[in-house]
Amino acid sequence: GAVVSQHPSWVICKSGTSVKIECRSLDFQATTMFWYRQFPKQSLMLMATSNEGSKATYEQGVEKDKFLINHASLTLSTLTVTSAHPEDSSFYICSARHPNGLDGQYFGPGTRLLVL
Amino acid sequence: RKEVEQDPGPFNVPEGATVAFNCTYSNSASQSFFWYRQDCRKEPKLLMSVYSSGNEDGRFTAQLNRASQYISLLIRDSKLSDSATYLCVVNLRSNDYKLSFGAGTTVTVRA
Repeated sequence: GAVVSQHPSWVICKSGTSVKIECRSLDFQATTMFWYRQFPKQSLMLMATSNEGSKATYEQGVEKDKFLINHASLTLSTLTVTSAHPEDSSFYICSARHPNGLDGQYFGPGTRLLVL
Repeated sequence: RKEVEQDPGPFNVPEGATVAFNCTYSNSASQSFFWYRQDCRKEPKLLMSVYSSGNEDGRFTAQLNRASQYISLLIRDSKLSDSATYLCVVNLRSNDYKLSFGAGTTVTVRA
């Protein structure tokens, strides 16, 4: 099946620092990737849609200047959490839509962010 | 009202039992439906798509009821390895690929 990787798998950082998370589609090209956030015992919440070669589309309530998304190639999207604060601590998951036309998405293994 | 709602459970069943649970969605124009499985502290993994006529995949059966706007998942002959959180996922609009997730139904299969 399609494989999506994320790096790093977990990160601990001090408040005020920026954290960059990479999402890669390993065996297919993904024009569209998605970034989600999941807090404990809650559902995945879509943060933004990342489109290769164009600006990301952010969901309501998600600050685009806080969560910078870059999708510079067909296999890589990055999410940068700028000036992270403890309330940004969460499980960040990316997904990629496979070009074969299926509506399902393939998820990366997620990145656990803890901001102290 | 949430776009996708699920009974959080937990459903605690013995091995070999049958367990079933539903999910409701609010947008009648929703296009695609899926069940994902999420293990503790892991990413969701696609279990199966849900088709209008209902479909089976081994011990798993999914049904869609558009009139009542719910989908269901039934697990037969439960295995210990079926213990997980099952996420109901809906693609709400046909012009994009964004998915809406339910909060999940937790199933625990005991020996």
